[in-house]
Amino acid sequence: KAGVTQTPRYLIKTRGQQVTLSCSPISGHRSVSWYQQTPGQGLQFLFEYFSETQRNKGNFPGRFSGRQFSNSRSEMNVSTLELGDSALYLCASSPKTSNTGELFFGEGSRLTVL
Amino acid sequence: QQQVKQSPQSLIVQKGGISIINCAYENTAFDYFPWYQQFPGKGPALLIAIRPDVSEKKEGRFTISFNKSAKQFSLHIMDSQPGDSATYFCAASSDYKLSFGAGTTVTVRA
Repeated sequence: KAGVTQTPRYLIKTRGQQVTLSCSPISGHRSVSWYQQTPGQGLQFLFEYFSETQRNKGNFPGRFSGRQFSNSRSEMNVSTLELGDSALYLCASSPKTSNTGELFFGEGSRLTVL
Repeated sequence: QQQVKQSPQSLIVQKGGISIINCAYENTAFDYFPWYQQFPGKGPALLIAIRPDVSEKKEGRFTISFNKSAKQFSLHIMDSQPGDSATYFCAASSDYKLSFGAGTTVTVRA
């Protein structure tokens, strides 16, 4: 079974630009979550989707948004990029409908903002 | 603020030794406690997890001990191997969200 696939793996943007990151969950997984990982803040929760509905959102500014499609694939968007948005963005999927925290992570999209 | 406090930040252990990582939390709404292992350049991978109504869970060389009254839980890695060298994160789950500890970098010396 293929794992969680994230694209692109690496990208460089400049301040003020926007970026869209894509995630394909493991086949059959309907829950998709996004996390930001930085050396300073560690792993921070962004949002979680199930059947195209956002069930929870982390404490990030409105510049961070996401969505999930009917095939469970998900995208997240960051608008008006700031230097501090440089991070590894991780997508994770879960086969569970209930809250278990058993997530399968992709390898991430590493965003550098110059 | 960090909802899950993890210690130590790093540890070095000899091959065959025991690695112990500790975590503490305050939020009693947390209802599931997984541990993740992360290698450089990779995403975190689920290692083992426990529910708060269980005091201990063992899977191979990895054991979680859970103390609900103290709001503390720990990971023990028995017979540590060089391949166990990685960063380990404890986490706590509620409302479809994981709160992670800051991570512990484990180095196993051959």
